[in-house]
Amino acid sequence: GIQVEQSPPDLILQEGANSTLRCNFSDSVNNLQWFHQNPWGQLINLFYIPSGTKQNGRLSATTVATERYSLLYISSSQTTDSGVYFCAVERHAGGTSYGKLTFGQGTILTVHP
Amino acid sequence: DARVTQTPRHKVTEMGQEVTMRCQPILGHNTVFWYRQTMMQGLELLAYFRNRAPLDDSGMPKDRFSAEMPDATLATLKIQPSEPRDSAVYFCASGLAVFGGRGVEAFFGQGTRLTVV
Repeated sequence: GIQVEQSPPDLILQEGANSTLRCNFSDSVNNLQWFHQNPWGQLINLFYIPSGTKQNGRLSATTVATERYSLLYISSSQTTDSGVYFCAVERHAGGTSYGKLTFGQGTILTVHP
Repeated sequence: DARVTQTPRHKVTEMGQEVTMRCQPILGHNTVFWYRQTMMQGLELLAYFRNRAPLDDSGMPKDRFSAEMPDATLATLKIQPSEPRDSAVYFCASGLAVFGGRGVEAFFGQGTRLTVV
């Protein structure tokens, strides 16, 4: 199956700092999502971004599908950004999408005040 | 607001007991997924449905797990008999698949935290 690797595994920041999280994947994809799992365990959709660039407030994401990676940028981090960030992909299968996501192991982000 | 709803949020049960987890997908979504999250394995896909029909349940231990969609507003995941190794957080997710569309964006419920003692 497709492999998804996220880096770094852990990241500690001071409030106000910027950060970049990376997701590498081993095959062509037709679906890539970034999630934030908050301290209560809820998985929150951040971006649906199989290719291109999107921005939402202090967060933005870029996926370069041809080079098989995606980046999540967090600017001016806040303590509420703490949690685990997951990248999840669906391998491209002849144009048919089933929505089957393979998750990376996540990046644990801790933002200190 | 539209969200995936899972019940119960927490469940503690004794080994050997039957456990049923329920999920109400977002209205209008035609694809439903069950995922399991553990510290060791991370998030794994157990089963998924399209238009209520099971498409793939290869991630599920067949001898004790079963997943169904009695109707478009309810998906169930059942474990019988439960074992301590089944302790995990079980997530339901739903999405809308469009013919010829690029991908299915999945939206997750809050999960059911299952503890089998």
